[in-house]
Amino acid sequence: EVQLVESGGGLVQPGGSLRLSCAASGFTFSSSWMHWVRQAPGKGLVWVSRINSDGTTTFYADSVKGRFTISRDNAKNSLYLQMNSLSAEDTAVYYCIRGVQGWPDPWGQGTLVSVSS
Amino acid sequence: QAVVTQEPSLTVSPGGTVTLTCGSSTGAVTSGHYPYWLQQKPGQAPRTLIYDISSKHSWTPARFSGSLLGDKAALTLSGAQPEDEAEYYCYLSYSAVRVFGGGTKLTVL
Repeated sequence: EVQLVESGGGLVQPGGSLRLSCAASGFTFSSSWMHWVRQAPGKGLVWVSRINSDGTTTFYADSVKGRFTISRDNAKNSLYLQMNSLSAEDTAVYYCIRGVQGWPDPWGQGTLVSVSS
Repeated sequence: QAVVTQEPSLTVSPGGTVTLTCGSSTGAVTSGHYPYWLQQKPGQAPRTLIYDISSKHSWTPARFSGSLLGDKAALTLSGAQPEDEAEYYCYLSYSAVRVFGGGTKLTVL
């Protein structure tokens, strides 16, 4: 059974940084593209970033480019999102998604990032 | 970055048929955008109903179908049920990046 467990969220001040983690199990993590998707409270889904299986290729939404960095550690079956220069607009629940065709896996509970002074 | 457009809200009668659409600011939506449709019910995480235009998962009710309609992707619900009331998101691939639409709130009333 595929499991994706996000963690690392919390309250951070504007301009601050946070590192999110996603622990993956139930599939061959080192063979899978991975995505981050976020959802602000009461708002829609927003694609944030994706990374290829060996971590050498990354892509970002314009809204986070230059501030966020996606990475992975295949030895630890873990995905990360380093978020810098955070603003209130980054407040959201962040989900990690396995980038397999059709996105068949149940989504995790996500991790809530709140940016506020 | 491209903008993906959806109807903000639609209403369908129980047993009725409704079509949700998904457009792209870059032009026509094609098979190369690999359109997905996700359903999110209140208080729940999203889940994919349709992918690659019209492919279904095992949990996708038969009353949902996906297609390309004109220059847009479309999700058609035939025989709406009360449990279909939800937010529906379109998701398109643009080579490197991916973009969600703003979502359509579907009311069954």
